[in-house]
Amino acid sequence: KQEVTQIPAALSVPEGENLVLNCSFTDSAIYNLQWFRQDPGKGLTSLLLIQSSQREQTSGRLNASLDKSSGRSTLYIAASQPGDSATYLCAVGELSGGYQKVTFGTGTKLQVIP
Amino acid sequence: DAGVIQSPRHEVTEMGQEVTLRCKPISGHDYLFWYRQTMMRGLELLIYFNNNVPIDDSGMPEDRFSAKMPNASFSTLKIQPSEPRDSAVYFCASRSGTGMNTEAFFGQGTRLTVV
Repeated sequence: KQEVTQIPAALSVPEGENLVLNCSFTDSAIYNLQWFRQDPGKGLTSLLLIQSSQREQTSGRLNASLDKSSGRSTLYIAASQPGDSATYLCAVGELSGGYQKVTFGTGTKLQVIP
Repeated sequence: DAGVIQSPRHEVTEMGQEVTLRCKPISGHDYLFWYRQTMMRGLELLIYFNNNVPIDDSGMPEDRFSAKMPNASFSTLKIQPSEPRDSAVYFCASRSGTGMNTEAFFGQGTRLTVV
């Protein structure tokens, strides 16, 4: 059974700092990994999707990397802003019995202090 | 497309009552997922469907929970009877199974409070 862990559970940084969020998964036979953002009381917003054949994806100040062999992904946020404060979740997509399945990590709650 | 639509947004009910949560996936998406989110356990997959057929319901906590997808544009998650420990935010998500570059899209969630 796939298990997805995110460390740290919470992170507080001053505005302008670069930061890295970590995601690890136990079964490396994945076909993609997706990073989401969740604001308090809101739904999940997709940030980046990395296919298993890719090493990284970039969108603006965000860069996500994937290392399947080690079961790890990182989300790099450059020049953090207070508006980046949210919970960030990674989700691993895999084939299970011929069907697609998604398993979520535990999340990292980020606070960017002005 | 308006995205994944869930209703109601908020539901407060008394213990023992039946609760029905509704979801309309994005048109053309052939996968639909129901998740439950709590502070203690994070996001948990309850059940998912492919082409309206339930594929994996191993995450459904008890027989009190049931889910249906009568057609490609509608799914329900029912709790009967509801209990206070069922209080959580329930999310529905959909994605297309075609190809590898398929993002999952989530609804805004239904916040359920059982008193």
